[in-house]
Amino acid sequence: DTAVSQTPKYLVTQMGNDKSIKCEQNLGHDTMYWYKQDSKKFLKIMFSYNNKELIINETVPNRFSPKSPDKAHLNLHINSLELGDSAVYFCASSPYGKGSSYEQYFGPGTRLTVT
Amino acid sequence: GESVGLHLPTLSVQEGDNSIINCAYSNSASDYFIWYKQESGKGPQFIIDIRSNMDKRQGQRVTVLLNKTVKHLSLQIAATQPGDSAVYFCAENPSGAGSYQLTFGKGTKLSVIP
Repeated sequence: DTAVSQTPKYLVTQMGNDKSIKCEQNLGHDTMYWYKQDSKKFLKIMFSYNNKELIINETVPNRFSPKSPDKAHLNLHINSLELGDSAVYFCASSPYGKGSSYEQYFGPGTRLTVT
Repeated sequence: GESVGLHLPTLSVQEGDNSIINCAYSNSASDYFIWYKQESGKGPQFIIDIRSNMDKRQGQRVTVLLNKTVKHLSLQIAATQPGDSAVYFCAENPSGAGSYQLTFGKGTKLSVIP
């Protein structure tokens, strides 16, 4: 069973388009995340979200928005795509709260290419 | 040997040798550290973690060492195998940045020579 899944795995689109990436976790975790990994493999947190609180990395453009229909899903919407948005996007989840392991479980990634 | 520069740092080791991957972390208040392995085309996978009240923790073929004095973390892999070839990331949980966030380091690419 896949713990954290993402769709699609590959996404090729043109500048200016709007696209979404879906993420689902079946681990019963309270907190989900989106990361962006650039061509140099640097992993940068974009958002963290649980059912109470959304934390946004201040460097993320407001063209990016997370949407969570329920605790098991956190989708990423991107408006007006730009060339610089090309990257691999990872969804992750973790149990919430101090005292817990801070281990995050990652999905397989979505490679977004903007042309 | 290890090379550091504009590109992803790379460590090349002979199969069967021990590997040591180093990481300097930034926040002296961080209380939790974790190592991830990322194989090509996959998401990062948990290897081992350590809390700041420890200086060493061992797993299967892996050992993490923590030196809080110099803010340094290392991952030792014993008897390195071709399947260990991947990019390795250290991450820290900076206290006060949210109880559940991780800040990732730049990553080191480990190449195992058969």
